[in-house]
Amino acid sequence: AQSVAQPEDQVNVAEGNPLTVKCTYSVSGNPYLFWYVQYPNRGLQFLLKYITGDNLVKGSYGFEAEFNKSQTSFHLKKPSALVSDSALYFCAVRDSDRGSTLGRLYFGRGTQLTVWP
Amino acid sequence: DGGITQSPKYLFRKEGQNVTLSCEQNLNHDAMYWYRQDPGQGLRLIYYSQIVNDFQKGDIAEGYSVSREKKESFPLTVTSAQKNPTAFYLCASSIFIRGADTQYFGPGTRLTVL
Repeated sequence: AQSVAQPEDQVNVAEGNPLTVKCTYSVSGNPYLFWYVQYPNRGLQFLLKYITGDNLVKGSYGFEAEFNKSQTSFHLKKPSALVSDSALYFCAVRDSDRGSTLGRLYFGRGTQLTVWP
Repeated sequence: DGGITQSPKYLFRKEGQNVTLSCEQNLNHDAMYWYRQDPGQGLRLIYYSQIVNDFQKGDIAEGYSVSREKKESFPLTVTSAQKNPTAFYLCASSIFIRGADTQYFGPGTRLTVL
């Protein structure tokens, strides 16, 4: 079964400090991994994805994520947090070896990031 | 949110009523999805569709119905059989490229049962 765990419901960080939002996954084959961000009462915005290749993926708004196959992790990072980064972050996974069916994603429960001034 | 519209933004329903949530996309995407979001539970898949006139149940399809008569439209009906429909509903779409497709989301509809 495919699944995603976001072990922290909430992450608090001071503006200017680095931030990390954790994600671990479980798939039977090779994973495709995604990060999305959601602002209050809005839809999800795509940040970045890992398909193959370089383990460090760069995305929108200065975010990056590191794929670690041995630890089955895909943590989201940013070197210097902004107050405007405060939002709900979702990690998602799908199995690349699932054959046909489409872009069926499995989402974590989300991590609320708060950046305080 | 660009390219995918959902309406209405807020919807109130009395118990026993069916309501239909609209989702339209102008991205020429093949696949469309409906998710339900409840606080602390992440996103749960209700229905998805790869092509016109075809759709599959997701994890929580009971009490919901969909249609896909046009590529750009994927309306969701919340029926009176859905026991706890108050939630935030999100529609998404993606190009059906095996494996590498990215889902893009609409702005959502918040449904409240009175």
